[in-house]
Amino acid sequence: AQRVTQPEKLLSVFKGAPVELKCNYSYSGSPELFWYVQYSRQRLQLLLRHISRESIKGFTADLNKGETSFHLKKPFAQEEDSAMYYCALSGWAGNQFYFGTGTSLTVIP
Amino acid sequence: DVKVTQSSRYLVKRTGEKVFLECVQDMDHENMFWYRQDPGLGLRLIYFSYDVKMKEKGDIPEGYSVSREKKERFSLILESASTNQTSMYLCASSSRNTEAFFGQGTRLTVV
Repeated sequence: AQRVTQPEKLLSVFKGAPVELKCNYSYSGSPELFWYVQYSRQRLQLLLRHISRESIKGFTADLNKGETSFHLKKPFAQEEDSAMYYCALSGWAGNQFYFGTGTSLTVIP
Repeated sequence: DVKVTQSSRYLVKRTGEKVFLECVQDMDHENMFWYRQDPGLGLRLIYFSYDVKMKEKGDIPEGYSVSREKKERFSLILESASTNQTSMYLCASSSRNTEAFFGQGTRLTVV
């Protein structure tokens, strides 16, 4: 069952341009939503989670329960943002984590 | 600093071999996971465990088994490796109200 959908496999933007990575989910109940990032040759790491409502490295994401979306946004992309981004959800007990197919972001200098 | 450690970064095995991938976490997390990561397919859940000796199938368990004899250790077993199991394997752990923490990954090549 497809629980997390990331429609864009590849996304390229110019440095300084806004960026939005899309994520939609389907899950019965109230999931928790996350964005993970994987830089080249590094392990997968948490970028942000919706309950913390923090802005990390200039990225924000708003959970829209009506549209079941959790899109990741940044107003001004930087070259160091080039990476693979995964949207993920977990159930209430945190014992299930499901990931999308990922979006590879390239920021063009 | 939290740690999830996978025993090998790279492995090359022959078709038909039994393969063990080991993962250890030092955060006293109840939950542990095994994923495989393939280009264009993202992370697909193979198995997860929410307690010692407990295991649940994920989305792609065929050809794999797991073992969790101690809380800190979660092993992935390929009973008879095949070339279509060539992939990057990621281990993760979590607790209630935490995110999932990942290991560095094991790149397995089956020849």
